[in-house]
Amino acid sequence: AIRMTQSPSSLSASTGDRVTITCRASQGISSYLAWYQQKPGKAPKLLIYAASTLQSGVPSRFSGSGSGTDFTLTISCLQSEDFATYYCQQYYSYPRALTFGGGTKVEIK
Amino acid sequence: EVQLVESGGGLVQPGGSLRLSCAASGFTFSSYEMNWVRQAPGKGLEWVSYISSSGSTIYYADSVKGRFTISRDNAKNSLYLQMNSLRAEDTAVYYCARLVHDSSGYYHYFDYWGQGTLVTVSS
Repeated sequence: AIRMTQSPSSLSASTGDRVTITCRASQGISSYLAWYQQKPGKAPKLLIYAASTLQSGVPSRFSGSGSGTDFTLTISCLQSEDFATYYCQQYYSYPRALTFGGGTKVEIK
Repeated sequence: EVQLVESGGGLVQPGGSLRLSCAASGFTFSSYEMNWVRQAPGKGLEWVSYISSSGSTIYYADSVKGRFTISRDNAKNSLYLQMNSLRAEDTAVYYCARLVHDSSGYYHYFDYWGQGTLVTVSS
């Protein structure tokens, strides 16, 4: 199965900061990657698919990039509602073993 | 409005069984591929199982293969997960999630998730 490794596992940041989260695949997955945001006690919410396509309704301060094995999620100007845990997920092996990264928790500094 | 509502979670002893349900509404359920994803307390997300829109194609994570069975009833707009031989490590919130693809047909993602149902395996 394809392994997805996120870094860092957690970070502290302040409102207004630019935040970058990295996701690395154990093998090339082209652009078959999505990013999700999850807040405590809630289901994950789709932010980005196809590595860089913003889901409808998601603020433009979120952006994704990358292809192959290395991907990034960037929040350009962190807002209070962005403090959450973020997960990447690969779809290269669709429809089986749609593995997630371990998550990155974005906390208030 | 698309809604996915899970039910059936609870406390079960190791070795026991449980059947989860996911009731879908607000969309043509029979046209969509569905999945189960779980999250152990304080841990990350783990994909569990996939079922095609017709139910003819099914996949499982290695961690549940041979113990869990995914199924669907398109007439009842419902998705199921039969869980047998439960272990402590199966303790998690279980989510059902709708899998879609973009207009190109190449890129997939989970666009709607249920609120989850908690399964606790403990003696």
